[in-house]
Amino acid sequence: AQSVTQPDIHITVSEGASLELRCNYSYGATPYLFWYVQSPGQGLQLLLKYFSGDTLVQGIKGFEAEFKRSQSSFNLRKPSVHWSDAAEYFCAVGPLGSGGYQKVTFGIGTKLQVIP
Amino acid sequence: NAGVTQTPKFQVLKTGQSMTLQCAQDMNHEYMSWYRQDPGMGLRLIHYSVGAGITDQGEVPNGYNVSRSTTEDFPLRLLSAAPSQTSVYFCASSYTGNNEKLFFGSGTQLSVL
Repeated sequence: AQSVTQPDIHITVSEGASLELRCNYSYGATPYLFWYVQSPGQGLQLLLKYFSGDTLVQGIKGFEAEFKRSQSSFNLRKPSVHWSDAAEYFCAVGPLGSGGYQKVTFGIGTKLQVIP
Repeated sequence: NAGVTQTPKFQVLKTGQSMTLQCAQDMNHEYMSWYRQDPGMGLRLIHYSVGAGITDQGEVPNGYNVSRSTTEDFPLRLLSAAPSQTSVYFCASSYTGNNEKLFFGSGTQLSVL
């Protein structure tokens, strides 16, 4: 069965510092990987996704993620965090191809706090 | 462009009461779904629909009913609310079934006393 592990429930960083949020997945085939962000009181918004090609994926708001098949990881990074990045971040994995819509599995989320 | 609209934003129910959570999208998306979000458990799929007239169960369907009479609307019904259904509920839609981008509503926070 597919699964997603986000080992850090809470992370606190200083504004301007770099950020890395960890995500490990378990999946038997080539996965479709996502990062979503949830601001307080809002729904989730897609930051970026990966299913093939360059293993370094660029997303919105200056975020990027790197797919490492050997480590089953898809970590999210940002070089310099802004106060507006404070939110909860979800990693998700799903199968490629038609019919996979309903089989996306979300991690439990990492809550990011940004301090001045 | 409204996107995915959920109503109400907050609701308090007593055990045994029924209610319907509304979800509407104006993007002509074929695929719609309902998730619940609980602390420490991420998002779990309740029910989903691949088009008008077609629905199916997700990971945690018990206690919930859905129907899809139009492309735009996908209501979630709780027939007899239980405290275990206290959660934040999100509706989402997407254009295709190929794991394309999901568009989420802003959620409904439900408390069952």
